[in-house]
Amino acid sequence: AQSVSQHNHHVILSEAASLELGCNYSYGGTVNLFWYVQYPGQHLQLLLKYFSGDPLVKGIKGFEAEFIKSKFSFNLRKPSVQWSDTAEYFCAVLKSSGNTPLVFGKGTRLSVIA
Amino acid sequence: GAVVSQHPSWVICKSGTSVKIECRSLDFQATTMFWYRQFPKQSLMLMATSNEGSKATYEQGVEKDKFLINHASLTLSTLTVTSAHPEDSSFYICSARDPTGGTGELFFGEGSRLTVL
Repeated sequence: AQSVSQHNHHVILSEAASLELGCNYSYGGTVNLFWYVQYPGQHLQLLLKYFSGDPLVKGIKGFEAEFIKSKFSFNLRKPSVQWSDTAEYFCAVLKSSGNTPLVFGKGTRLSVIA
Repeated sequence: GAVVSQHPSWVICKSGTSVKIECRSLDFQATTMFWYRQFPKQSLMLMATSNEGSKATYEQGVEKDKFLINHASLTLSTLTVTSAHPEDSSFYICSARDPTGGTGELFFGEGSRLTVL
């Protein structure tokens, strides 16, 4: 079965530190990849997505992610985090085009301390 | 982006009662909506796929008689938790994809937090 693995359950960083959250998926076919963020008390919001083309994708709020097909990975990065980045981050995979649901990873909680 | 709205955002009910949660696509028509459940500190788990004008498709382990889904129009899907029990307490989230958007992005509702006493 298709699965999405997020390696880190909880990451704690100081402000201005660099961030990298890991995401690996198991599906071998063509995939579309997403990172969503859920701020405390809010609903899910899309950070960035990859469909095709440049494997380095830039999203909102200074986030970026790199699709490495050979490693089945789509890690999320940010050079310098802020306190306001404290949230839950979810990687998600769409295994085919068409009206199919996303499969989510378990999420990574990011806590940024001043 | 497209907007998906859920109501109510918060509901508390007694054990044994039924609760209905509505999910609306406000500015697009959605032939398919997805219902997810999120337990505290866990990921979103797909419960069912709601199809307009036909029966919903449930994921393995989800009781279709307990979680009734009705997708009567292109902008509204409802999830009814019947005979609710405390273990049904969770965060229920619906989502839909704008078919005219050309991407796979799912738009999510605000979520409905159910607490069963």
